[in-house]
Amino acid sequence: AQSVTQLGSHVSVSEGALVLLRCNYSSSVPPYLFWYVQYPNQGLQLLLKYTTGATLVKGINGFEAEFKKSETSFHLTKPSAHMSDAAEYFCAVSRTGGGADGLTFGKGTHLIIQP
Amino acid sequence: GAVVSQHPSRVICKSGTSVKIECRSLDFQATTMFWYRQFPKKSLMLMATSNEGSKATYEQGVEKDKFLINHASLTLSTLTVTSAHPEDSSFYICSARVGSYPGETQYFGPGTRLLVL
Repeated sequence: AQSVTQLGSHVSVSEGALVLLRCNYSSSVPPYLFWYVQYPNQGLQLLLKYTTGATLVKGINGFEAEFKKSETSFHLTKPSAHMSDAAEYFCAVSRTGGGADGLTFGKGTHLIIQP
Repeated sequence: GAVVSQHPSRVICKSGTSVKIECRSLDFQATTMFWYRQFPKKSLMLMATSNEGSKATYEQGVEKDKFLINHASLTLSTLTVTSAHPEDSSFYICSARVGSYPGETQYFGPGTRLLVL
């Protein structure tokens, strides 16, 4: 079985500061890991994903995440926050590890950007 | 590319009626689509996997007779909430699988907000 834990339901950072959103997972198979962003009244948009290979994954909008197997983590970072980054962020793991099955999501982290 | 639409975006219905929600892949064909439910301030929960031309696979605890899924074409999956009740009020989101192993990705629709009075 798979599960995802996102530490912190709300994270607040100042504009220009580092963004760090934490995600830990549990998976019985080699995981495929995803970060999605959801803006108000919109669907989920894929930020980045890890399948195999390089553990540092770069995504859109300047975000990146690093897969650390020993820590079962896939934290999302961005060096400098913009006001437009304010949104809900979801970490997810593929159920079967192949990326082709339904996703198990964390509860989400609401990112607040302070001017 | 990889745009998924849902219709309607919002729907209000009376208790006991049925509501149909459409999920379309606009610029690609999707043999597999997924239906999720999102409760306020909570995560998305997978309800079912919809495969074109075959019966949907439901997650444990999801009533298949209440949430009817039809995937009649490679670009359309529908979710029908039958005999809706207030507890069915929620945000329903579909996604479509794109690509092939090991590079599959799910693209999500904008969601449908259902309110049952």
